[in-house]
Amino acid sequence: DADVTQTPRNRITKTGKRIMLECSQTKGHDRMYWYRQDPGLGLRLIYYSFDVKDINKGEISDGYSVSRQAQAKFSLSLESAIPNQTALYFCATSERLNTGELFFGEGSRLTVL
Amino acid sequence: GQSLEQPSEVTAVEGAIVQINCTYQTSGFYGLSWYQQHDGGAPTFLSYNALDGLEETGRFSSFLSRSDSYGYLLLQELQMKDSASYFCAVRDYSGGYQKVTFGTGTKLQVIP
Repeated sequence: DADVTQTPRNRITKTGKRIMLECSQTKGHDRMYWYRQDPGLGLRLIYYSFDVKDINKGEISDGYSVSRQAQAKFSLSLESAIPNQTALYFCATSERLNTGELFFGEGSRLTVL
Repeated sequence: GQSLEQPSEVTAVEGAIVQINCTYQTSGFYGLSWYQQHDGGAPTFLSYNALDGLEETGRFSSFLSRSDSYGYLLLQELQMKDSASYFCAVRDYSGGYQKVTFGTGTKLQVIP
């Protein structure tokens, strides 16, 4: 089983719908992240959480919200999806950043029509 | 804010050596990482440099010069399976937190 699991892996939805992407991890890491990937733009940080009570906005948080339900779970919500939120979304975890290493889930591909 | 620059595409021949450069601008710099991502897959960690110099891991090596805000990933004895996108990423400190910010990626195509 994967250490970082994302659900759903693929989702097609319509403009205006509420969408939740879920991430769970078995690595025991305190730190969790949501990134968005678009062709030619690399990975951009949406939100990050250093523990259950510590949640912070990344560089592109507008239109998104998150919930850290437990150490192992970090969900990303799009309250009212729009087409330019069509992208590949990655959840990642890290223990500490001394090694600069993030552990990524397999990604959730979201299409907003 | 942070910015990272790396070439968008590189083509190299199987068995050869290729170098992917990365320049960055950031405050509170801690270190530079490299990630590999195959099409449709998740990024996977390759290496991390916090200090100046060369770090070697098998066929892959990574270099950092903090004074030049520059690093590179060196891939030797290229194999077809090395065809992938490679991202540099800075670990830095801003807004009271450490974060990892990614470059836009270099797509490496290995040809026979």
